[in-house]
Amino acid sequence: SQTIHQWPATLVQPVGSPLSLECTVEGTSNPNLYWYRQAAGRGLQLLFYSVGIGQISSEVPQNLSASRPQDRQFILSSKKLLLSDSGFYLCAWSGDYNEQFFGPGTRLTVL
Amino acid sequence: QKEVEQDPGPLSVPEGAIVSLNCTYSNSAFQYFMWYRQYSRKGPELLMYTYSSGNKEDGRFTAQVDKSSKYISLFIRDSQPSDSATYLCAIRPGGGNKLTFGTGTQLKVEL
Repeated sequence: SQTIHQWPATLVQPVGSPLSLECTVEGTSNPNLYWYRQAAGRGLQLLFYSVGIGQISSEVPQNLSASRPQDRQFILSSKKLLLSDSGFYLCAWSGDYNEQFFGPGTRLTVL
Repeated sequence: QKEVEQDPGPLSVPEGAIVSLNCTYSNSAFQYFMWYRQYSRKGPELLMYTYSSGNKEDGRFTAQVDKSSKYISLFIRDSQPSDSATYLCAIRPGGGNKLTFGTGTQLKVEL
């Protein structure tokens, strides 16, 4: 069966520091991968998605970037965090069908 | 007008009640409909997926889609305290991989 991992689970970072969040998927090949951010009281905002290694589509211009160095690895990065980057970051994958499956999330607090 | 509208709640019901959760959408191109359950500080979990008008049942859960009215519902029978969570609807057009999410309805089932 397929599983999706995210780490770290919780992160507290100062403003201006760099960020690297990692997501890996097991049990499937060539998945579509997604990064979302969920702010309190708001829906899920799609940040990036990828249909293959090195293929990244950005949905929202912002302080973040994404990379896909391997088939089942998706990384969310920032060179300098802003206060507004705080939130709950979720990675998801989808296969040949339409459903997306989410990881456990990373709660980021920027101070 | 938002593409997907969902009442944020909170919705509080007694144990054993039938719960009705709803979303409306504006774009008739949406063809695929999903419901996710999200417990506090966890990633969303896919509950139901459907692509046609009508009802789809899975245990205590029934998903209903009315494409003519652009209205989708999730019914929970014999609700339990363990059903207390935020429920998110998600909708996708016929092509592409991107989902549009509602903001979620917070449900509390009380003993």
